[in-house]
Amino acid sequence: RKEVEQDPGPFNVPEGATVAFNCTYSNSASQSFFWYRQDCRKEPKLLMSVYSSGNEDGRFTAQLNRASQYISLLIRDSKLSDSATYLCVVNRHSSASKIIFGSGTRLSIRP
Amino acid sequence: NAGVTQTPKFQVLKTGQSMTLQCAQDMNHEYMSWYRQDPGMGLRLIHYSVGAGITDQGEVPNGYNVSRSTTEDFPLRLLSAAPSQTSVYFCASSPRGSYNEQFFGPGTRLTVL
Repeated sequence: RKEVEQDPGPFNVPEGATVAFNCTYSNSASQSFFWYRQDCRKEPKLLMSVYSSGNEDGRFTAQLNRASQYISLLIRDSKLSDSATYLCVVNRHSSASKIIFGSGTRLSIRP
Repeated sequence: NAGVTQTPKFQVLKTGQSMTLQCAQDMNHEYMSWYRQDPGMGLRLIHYSVGAGITDQGEVPNGYNVSRSTTEDFPLRLLSAAPSQTSVYFCASSPRGSYNEQFFGPGTRLTVL
């Protein structure tokens, strides 16, 4: 079993829709959580951190459920430019070498 | 700032050849790392460095060497290329105390025949 698991998708939704995807992690000692975005054939870029109380950044909302060991990303009023792969990232021990990347969820927004 | 730069962008090797992937950053970041990305696998850590002169192995270090003689540069050497090393390689850097925010280079697409 992978330490960080994501539904690979693709999620194909119309512009303006709300879309959400989850990521589960297996190590209960994991300390930090993030979402990265990766455009096709480009490098990953940090989208947002995920805090215990949940957090928003514009149309994006991230939540953490430690009891069930999953994090989620909600995108409201989706734009064509949101089409990308979203990587769930977990840091097991707040150490540089313990950062684990999920394999990503592909999102495609159609006009 | 150029950020994190990688060369070459593309490379084709024959089995058994060696080569060095270059990575440089101009942000004075302490931490640098190399990942490989394969379909369905996510990014996997190959080697990392927490400062000049200090390197350590990640999850998949076999077949690769690194060195860190300066803060700016962190080259990755493939000793004897194998088809299993066909992948996209990303270099990343982070500032001290903020390891979770990694800045990635544009990647090198390597094919080993």
